[in-house]
Amino acid sequence: GAGVSQSPRYKVAKRGQDVALRCDPISGHVSLFWYQQALGQGPEFLTYFQNEAQLDKSGLPSDRFFAERPEGSVSTLKIQRTQQEDSAVYLCASSLANGNYNEQFFGPGTRLTVL
Amino acid sequence: GDSVTQMEGPVTLSEEAFLTINCTYTATGYPSLFWYVQYPGEGLQLLLKATKADDKGSNKGFEATYRKETTSFHLEKGSVQVSDSAVYFCALRGYGGATNKLIFGTGTLLAVQP
Repeated sequence: GAGVSQSPRYKVAKRGQDVALRCDPISGHVSLFWYQQALGQGPEFLTYFQNEAQLDKSGLPSDRFFAERPEGSVSTLKIQRTQQEDSAVYLCASSLANGNYNEQFFGPGTRLTVL
Repeated sequence: GDSVTQMEGPVTLSEEAFLTINCTYTATGYPSLFWYVQYPGEGLQLLLKATKADDKGSNKGFEATYRKETTSFHLEKGSVQVSDSAVYFCALRGYGGATNKLIFGTGTLLAVQP
């Protein structure tokens, strides 16, 4: 079946622009995660949804970052007034539920470059 | 807070060589431990996992044993192939937390030469 998909795959933005990154999780997956992966680093947690509820946003680096999942399926990560330090790959992952034994499946990521 | 430390790369090996990538962790309680692999141009894929002390995860000839006494989860493979060239990430997930977020190491690039 279809895995996690993300769009766009690549995004170039000028500093100060707003961007929106989309994640389509695996159908039926309750849990959805966003991670940020800087060049040469491991992914770092941004935020977590269980269905439509955003239960943890402790990893969002500033109030310019906003995520939503209004119907408990597709999620959008929005970055306002982008800065050069926002350049990274943004990964979305989904899992069937929030138990300790549920594997997170990752999408291919969106590579954001801020000029 | 919880953290993962893995050996820096790149690791360059000849085909059929033995591979070890070291990973140690710091965590409270009883985390689950994972190795993820990222092949060129592809997304992160779960390679193997272990959820309690002394468990051994294995997949595709790779193995890692959850050692609580040394807080380690080293990745090993007896004979690497060119197709194993990728970036390998060690990760943990805390037990009982509300989020079950993954905490990753910085990744180790493995390059296998024919």
